[in-house]
Formats: sequence, C-alpha cells, structure tokens
Amino acid sequence: GAVVSQHPSRVICKSGTSVKIECRSLDFQATTMFWYRQFPKQSLMLMATSNEGSKATYEQGVEKDKFLINHASLTLSTLTVTSAHPEDSSFYICSGTTRDIQYFGAGTRLSVL
Amino acid sequence: GNSVTQMEGPVTLSEEAFLTINCTYTATGYPSLFWYVQYPGEGLQLLLKATKADDKGSNKGFEATYRKETTSFHLEKGSVQVSDSAVYFCALSTDSSASKIIFGSGTRLSIRP
Repeated sequence: GAVVSQHPSRVICKSGTSVKIECRSLDFQATTMFWYRQFPKQSLMLMATSNEGSKATYEQGVEKDKFLINHASLTLSTLTVTSAHPEDSSFYICSGTTRDIQYFGAGTRLSVL
Repeated sequence: GNSVTQMEGPVTLSEEAFLTINCTYTATGYPSLFWYVQYPGEGLQLLLKATKADDKGSNKGFEATYRKETTSFHLEKGSVQVSDSAVYFCALSTDSSASKIIFGSGTRLSIRP
C-alpha cells in the first residue's frame, strides 16, 4: 500500500512556542490530505482538509489561525501549531488519499509544557 | 449526527482464542463501514471494509458483516495470534471518496502467547 510519513513522531515544547509537523506522501501524489487530532481514549477528530495549492478547509470549532496548514506540493502538507499551550497537547495524525483509500501517518505526539 | 461506538478496551486474549470487537453506528443514508488497525509505532491501516448492507469484509483472517438491521459491523477472528496485538478502529464514511471518515474511539487488543 501507499506510505505516508509524518515527522516528528514526538515533540515537547514550551508554552508560547510554535511547532511544525510535516506529512509526506512517499510513493503517491496527494491532492488532498487530512489532519486529525486524537485525545486519550477518544476518537480521531478531523481538524481540517488540506488542499494542494489552495487554502485548507477547517472543521467547525477548529481555529484556523491557531492551526496553520500549508499544502505547497502534491507530496507535502504541514501543520503548524502556533503559540502552543498545554491544552494543545495531543496526538496529531495526517492522512493522504489515493484511489479512494486513506493512508495514515504514524502520528505526532505533542506535549506542551 | 453520524457516529461510531465501539467496545472499550483493552481486550486481552490468549493466542488462538476467538475474537469479537463490537461496533455499532448511527448514520443518515447508507454509509460505508471500515475497520482500521494501528500496530505499535505505525500509522492506521485499512483492515477491511464493506460498502452496503449484508456485505462481508475480510482480510488476514478478520471478518466483519455490514448489518443494517442492527446498525452493526462487529469484527471477528477465529484464532488470534500475538502479531494481532494492535489498536482497532471502527469507522464510517458517508461520501463515496471516503474523504470524511468518522472513527470510533479504538479498542486496544493484546494477545498473550
């Protein structure tokens, strides 16, 4: 199957700093990528749909100025958590779609101190 | 709204035991149903899917049948192996390209040798 690489796998940062997470499709081109957030013992919640060459579409309740998404190429989307605070600590997962199947990255665990 | 409810874990079984992980859903229309698996340190992978009532999805010895009358999609395997230890997510999608997926909270499965 197709491979999605997500980096870093884990990041610890101080409150007020910004953190960038990368999501790459290694062997396919992804016009659309998705970003999810998962709290402990809860479902993956879709945050936004990232469209190559255009603005991301955010789900209701997700702050677009807080979670900046850039999809500059068909193989790379980035999520930047700006001015992170402890409540942003979570597990972030990206995915890319090809042939109507979503392929997921391994996730990034963000801990904000 | 659309939602997925799955059995809480963790589930611990001995090797060669029979496995059932329950999943029920609420959805308008006729959703497609999925089971995803996440092995330690890896991204979610599609395990199996079913797109209409009475369809049976199967893969790697796992099966699930789309039961519209009970709105269920229970995952079963006749004889589990240690290598099946992972987190299993039940999910649904109401669009044909499976771009918007709604996930259950996941069930952690541990198999003892």
